[in-house]
Amino acid sequence: NAGVTQTPKFRVLKTGQSMTLLCAQDMNHEYMYWYRQDPGMGLRLIHYSVGEGTTAKGEVPDGYNVSRLKKQNFLLGLESAAPSQTSVYFCASSYGASNTGELFFGEGSRLTVL
Amino acid sequence: GESVGLHLPTLSVQEGDNSIINCAYSNSASDYFIWYKQESGKGPQFIIDIRSNMDKRQGQRVTVLLNKTVKHLSLQIAATQPGDSAVYFCAEKKRAGSYQLTFGKGTKLSVIP
Repeated sequence: NAGVTQTPKFRVLKTGQSMTLLCAQDMNHEYMYWYRQDPGMGLRLIHYSVGEGTTAKGEVPDGYNVSRLKKQNFLLGLESAAPSQTSVYFCASSYGASNTGELFFGEGSRLTVL
Repeated sequence: GESVGLHLPTLSVQEGDNSIINCAYSNSASDYFIWYKQESGKGPQFIIDIRSNMDKRQGQRVTVLLNKTVKHLSLQIAATQPGDSAVYFCAEKKRAGSYQLTFGKGTKLSVIP
């Protein structure tokens, strides 16, 4: 099993450009999440999904959109990138029916907005 | 502000010694806590978890202690090894039925050979 795979791993954008980060998991997890990690800030939840076709806002959703058209994929979109969105983005997934909160994380996608 | 925080941002320990990483939380309704380890350039990895109805839980070389009276969580690593060098995050689930975790800012553990 590959676990959670994120693409691309690195990307540089100019202010105003758009892009999509792709997350794929092969563990048949119901729940998927997008976090961003900034120095000294820990991980902050952007959006999450509790199942195919559903999405919900997390702690810092502004400037991002997400889609969960297939159970195994969770896409994070930036319509008009801003320098404040320079960060490392982590996708995670978890069992939906479980009462534990263990998240399985991808390796991260480092985004720089100039 | 964040309800999950850490007492020390950095910790240096000698190889073979025990490490203790601390975490404070402010939400008395949180019912589940997790520790994650993040190595440089990688995503966080699950270490151990504990429910609010427990005081202590042990894993392989790791122990998590929960003190609900003072809202304090700690991770103890026995016989610390160079491979333990990483950033450690505590996370809390603030309410029953929620699948959202709130992460602390992290503590960087450096192991001195």
